[in-house]
Amino acid sequence: AQKVTQAQTEISVVEKEDVTLDCVYETRDTTYYLFWYKQPPSGELVFLIRRNSFDEQNEISGRYSWNFQKSTSSFNFTITASQVVDSAVYFCALSEASGGANSKLTFGKGITLSVRP
Amino acid sequence: NAGVTQTPKFQVLKTGQSMTLQCAQDMNHEYMSWYRQDPGMGLRLIHYSVGAGITDQGEVPNGYNVSRSTTEDFPLRLLSAAPSQTSVYFCASFSGLLVLSYNEQFFGPGTRLTVL
Repeated sequence: AQKVTQAQTEISVVEKEDVTLDCVYETRDTTYYLFWYKQPPSGELVFLIRRNSFDEQNEISGRYSWNFQKSTSSFNFTITASQVVDSAVYFCALSEASGGANSKLTFGKGITLSVRP
Repeated sequence: NAGVTQTPKFQVLKTGQSMTLQCAQDMNHEYMSWYRQDPGMGLRLIHYSVGAGITDQGEVPNGYNVSRSTTEDFPLRLLSAAPSQTSVYFCASFSGLLVLSYNEQFFGPGTRLTVL
């Protein structure tokens, strides 16, 4: 069975600090997909990134970067120079590729990030 | 495209009442799913569908029924609501194999359900 662990539950930083959100996953599949979603106070789920298991390249998008390491089963998310608008709940999720699993995401419990001015 | 739409946005039920949460997508996506979100629990999969006429159970299916008669619609039915079903419900749709293209699950705006 697949599992996603987000050990941090709440993080509070001051604006302009860098912050890393940790995600550790478990799966028996060799092909799988990892995701990060943002849920702002308004409640909608905003897709941030998808990463395939066979692509370990790190990715940077503006102030956001992701570090995927299969050796440690981790897919960590770093926000550089955080801003108040980054305050949200962040979810890491995993989807296995086998069978109908493409439609099934397993989510971590989420990390509440508060960025103080 | 309207994307994924959910109705209603809010609903209050009494224990034992039944209702249907509606979900529709206009992107011709094959895959659709229902999740519930509870505080401190993340999102958990209730039921999913890989195409019209095909549904299967997720992690927390008890107390919920689904059907998929068309590609566009994937309603979630609560036959006899219980306070434990108080939650925020998200519907999602997805176009196909992740490996073939850059793709994501599109989530609806959610339905906040309270069962008294």
